[in-house]
Amino acid sequence: DVKVTQSSRYLVKRTGEKVFLECVQDMDHENMFWYRQDPGLGLRLIYFSYDVKMKEKGDIPEGYSVSREKKERFSLILESASTNQTSMYLCASSLLMGQETQYFGPGTRLLVL
Amino acid sequence: QKEVEQNSGPLSVPEGAIASLNCTYSDRGSQSFFWYRQYSGKSPELIMFIYSNGDKEDGRFTAQLNKASQYVSLLIRDSQPSDSATYLCALSIYGNNRLAFGKGNQVVVIP
Repeated sequence: DVKVTQSSRYLVKRTGEKVFLECVQDMDHENMFWYRQDPGLGLRLIYFSYDVKMKEKGDIPEGYSVSREKKERFSLILESASTNQTSMYLCASSLLMGQETQYFGPGTRLLVL
Repeated sequence: QKEVEQNSGPLSVPEGAIASLNCTYSDRGSQSFFWYRQYSGKSPELIMFIYSNGDKEDGRFTAQLNKASQYVSLLIRDSQPSDSATYLCALSIYGNNRLAFGKGNQVVVIP
């Protein structure tokens, strides 16, 4: 079974703090994704990566950055957290192009005060 | 038109009935179609995927794809209270690593 894990289930941070969200997958997947999910807005893609050290912007990259130094790990960074970044953050991975089934981690619910 | 549309509001079905969910899409280059289930407070989990026109059955779930009419549907037979969740439709486009997701349809199965 594919397993995608995320570093925290719940996180509370203060405005202006730097926040790191980590995601690890154990199935040698090429592609990794970061989404946020908000009521009424659905899943929105922040960034994705199709290889180590490669990244592409998704639909809402502003205020976020990512890092992929190892194939199994994909980090989402909020450089200076703001209250409008309070959300559920979901990481996903997929094997490669042409095998697009995405498997999701459990999610991190982030509250920025 | 958005890439993936799931327009129906919350769907309430009695236990044992069939729940029917529809999803339409705009890009004829769409290749693969996915249905995810998401329980409240949890992450999406894959129910099934379909690539070819027609029906695909997996247990109580049937996915139906009609590429000419650009829709994909999900039928849940013999609905159970445990089927109460939000169902997300997603699709991939050839040459693109991404999936496009619909906003989801909530299903409530009434015992």
